[in-house]
Amino acid sequence: DSGVTQTPKHLITATGQRVTLRCSPRSGDLSVYWYQQSLDQGLQFLIQYYNGEERAKGNILERFSAQQFPDLHSELNLSSLELGDSALYFCASSGLAGGGNIQYFGAGTRLSVL
Amino acid sequence: AQSVAQPEDQVNVAEGNPLTVKCTYSVSGNPYLFWYVQYPNRGLQFLLKYITGDNLVKGSYGFEAEFNKSQTSFHLKKPSALVSDSALYFCAVNYGNMLTFGGGTRLMVKP
Repeated sequence: DSGVTQTPKHLITATGQRVTLRCSPRSGDLSVYWYQQSLDQGLQFLIQYYNGEERAKGNILERFSAQQFPDLHSELNLSSLELGDSALYFCASSGLAGGGNIQYFGAGTRLSVL
Repeated sequence: AQSVAQPEDQVNVAEGNPLTVKCTYSVSGNPYLFWYVQYPNRGLQFLLKYITGDNLVKGSYGFEAEFNKSQTSFHLKKPSALVSDSALYFCAVNYGNMLTFGGGTRLMVKP
């Protein structure tokens, strides 16, 4: 168990809808990362937050947004969902923001858009 | 821009034999390199990392990796494979706080 908790485990929704994925980082970790894993794109970095502030941005669509709350949990909001958004979404956390720090991953949220 | 390549989609090895999963990278400056393993319906588990220092890095579950700067490679190795090592393995480089992953290599260890 990595100590990173993601809810829900599975999410089934329809095109055009909006969903929220939740992540609780390991105790004491200040940095949260979101990744998307799909068959065609592989594992892609979406966005990073460090102590409530956005720190790095990757290939995140404008329809997607995230935030990190004062208690350090994070939410990834996906709106106007399309079939191609179906994927496994991972959250990871690390103690600090530096590149040498290990990122610990949650079990993921599997999103199916029908 | 940084990139990682895992040239083999799948590696097959017999239990008890040594295994190697290949990884090459491209990054400006000194690389921070990682190996992760993914079991079915699970998240990624950290195996080992290279930051600096000794080119041979030892990690979890008996795995090790050899960093080769001239060949820009970071191959994952294990002297004796177990059936339970069968999983999906990802090499990654951390640059600018984001992990860039290779496409993954499925390791199949047969009894």
